[in-house]
Amino acid sequence: GQSLEQPSEVTAVEGAIVQINCTYQTSGFYGLSWYQQHDGGAPTFLSYNALDGLEETGRFSSFLSRSDSYGYLLLQELQMKDSASYFCAVPSGSARQLTFGSGTQLTVLP
Amino acid sequence: DVKVTQSSRYLVKRTGEKVFLECVQDMDHENMFWYRQDPGLGLRLIYFSYDVKMKEKGDIPEGYSVSREKKERFSLILESASTNQTSMYLCASTGGETQYFGPGTRLLVL
Repeated sequence: GQSLEQPSEVTAVEGAIVQINCTYQTSGFYGLSWYQQHDGGAPTFLSYNALDGLEETGRFSSFLSRSDSYGYLLLQELQMKDSASYFCAVPSGSARQLTFGSGTQLTVLP
Repeated sequence: DVKVTQSSRYLVKRTGEKVFLECVQDMDHENMFWYRQDPGLGLRLIYFSYDVKMKEKGDIPEGYSVSREKKERFSLILESASTNQTSMYLCASTGGETQYFGPGTRLLVL
């Protein structure tokens, strides 16, 4: 089976940089995804890493180390609107069904 | 713009009632999923479907069934609702490595 661990809460101030870590245990590995979910909203896709290294998309970057079964999401120049829950997830099976971590609640303070 | 819609945002049902949650996607995706989301537990996969009339159990299928008669529509059925099925239910469909989520149905079982 699959299991993922991430911190339950992270707090940072506007303009800062924050890193949300995720470690995983899987029986087969395709890659690591990140999703963002605002209160009352649906999860939305942020990034997917299939290979080791850093992928950058604007203020957000995602990193993967397959040998360490570890990844992180890096958020730069934090804004108030970044306050949300962030989930790491791993796909498995032919349908790429996702197993999610329990989520990290990010609070951005003014 | 991709779209996944769910039949209700909020639903209140009585214990023992049969409950239908419907999900429709307009992206011609093969794979569709039903998750439930509870505080501190993240999103957990209930059932998924990789084709019309095909279905597979996820991690927590007990007490649920599904139906996929048409490619665009995936229904979740609670045969006899119980209070422990009070939750947020999220439907998703997959395009590549990205899952697109509906807005969710918050179900309260009294």
